[in-house]
Parts: sequence; structure tokens; C-alpha cells
Amino acid sequence: KAGVTQTPRYLIKTRGQQVTLSCSPISGHRSVSWYQQTPGQGLQFLFEYFSETQRNKGNFPGRFSGRQFSNSRSEMNVSTLELGDSALYLCASSTTGFAGELFFGEGSRLTVL
Amino acid sequence: AQSVTQLDSQVPVFEEAPVELRCNYSSSVSVYLFWYVQYPNQGLQLLLKYLSGSTLVKGINGFEAEFNKSQTSFHLRKPSVHISDTAEYFCAVSDPYSGAGSYQLTFGKGTKLSVIP
Repeated sequence: KAGVTQTPRYLIKTRGQQVTLSCSPISGHRSVSWYQQTPGQGLQFLFEYFSETQRNKGNFPGRFSGRQFSNSRSEMNVSTLELGDSALYLCASSTTGFAGELFFGEGSRLTVL
Repeated sequence: AQSVTQLDSQVPVFEEAPVELRCNYSSSVSVYLFWYVQYPNQGLQLLLKYLSGSTLVKGINGFEAEFNKSQTSFHLRKPSVHISDTAEYFCAVSDPYSGAGSYQLTFGKGTKLSVIP
């Protein structure tokens, strides 16, 4: 069974630009969550989607948005990039079964210059 | 809001020695508890989880953790570590009664385990 796939793995942007990250969950998983990982703040929850609906959102500004498609694939978008947005963005998928048993992708490492 | 405290940011240990990575959480209500491991340049992998039942939980790669409700702790242990255990370990908590119907995890800051040959 294929794991969670995130693209691109690495990208460099400049301040003010926007970026879109993609996540393909494990087949059959309907929940997709996004986390931001930085050395200073650690792992922080961004949002979670289930069946194309955002069920929960973390404490991030409106520049961070996401969506989920009917095939459960998800994208997240960050507009007007700031230096502080440099981070590893991790996507995780799960079934509706065990709460919190998330399967993570390898992440998309964003560098903002 | 829940919080998770991992008391040690870095833990060096010699190969084949035992190790304990400490984790405390803030919630006084029932929670689900997890340990994840992250190897360099990779995502997180679930080591073990506590949902209910026996307080001693066994996971992959010889790790185990003990849930202590009175001390709100969920420490991770391994009796004999290997070089391949060098990684960063994250403790996480999820509130099954949050009402949001969403599986949000709150993570600790992580503990970097370095196994010395």
C-alpha cells in the first residue's frame, strides 16, 4: 500500500509570493491533516479535512488555507509569504477509526528568502 | 488548551544501555496518547499509542510506554538501544471528547535521542 505522498519535497520562494503544496493520502483514508514544523515552535496543527470539509483549524492567519478534493487529495496554500513561513509542512492521513493514529508523509520543505 | 511537555530536549545514551524519554501532559480529562519518531529528512512514524485499557503499552522496535493518570505522564522506554534508534521522538495528545470530531494532535517539542557507539 502506498504511503502518504507530498509534492514538492523542496521549494524556495521569496517574500510576498504564494505557494501551493499537495498531498495524496493513503488509499481509503478520508481524513487529511496538515502540520507545520519549525525548530522554534515545533509541530503545530494547521487544519484537518474530511470528505472535502474542513473540520478543524489551528491558530494560523488567514494566509494559510487548504482544500480537499473528492478523491481525498488535499492542497494547502500560503499567500503573501513571510520569512517566518519557512518550515517543513507535513501532511498526515487517517481513517475514521482510531483518533490520532496519523500516517505522515515526508513533508514539503519550504524556504522563504 | 492541552499542552505536552517533553522534559529533555536531548538525550545521549550509549549503545545497548536503557533509555527513558519523559513526557507529561496537561489535561485532567481522558485523552489519547502517542509517541512518534522522526528520522532525519523523514516524516513522523507512529511508535505506540494509548487509547484505553492496560497502562503499559508496547510498540514497534522494542519500545514501550507507561500511562500514569495520577502523574499525567506517558514516559517512553527501551531496555537496550541501538545506533538505529538515533532520531527525534515526539509525544502527542489527542482529546477524544473535544466535540470537533477531528483528530487534532498536540505535540511536545521533541527529544533528540543520540545513541553513542
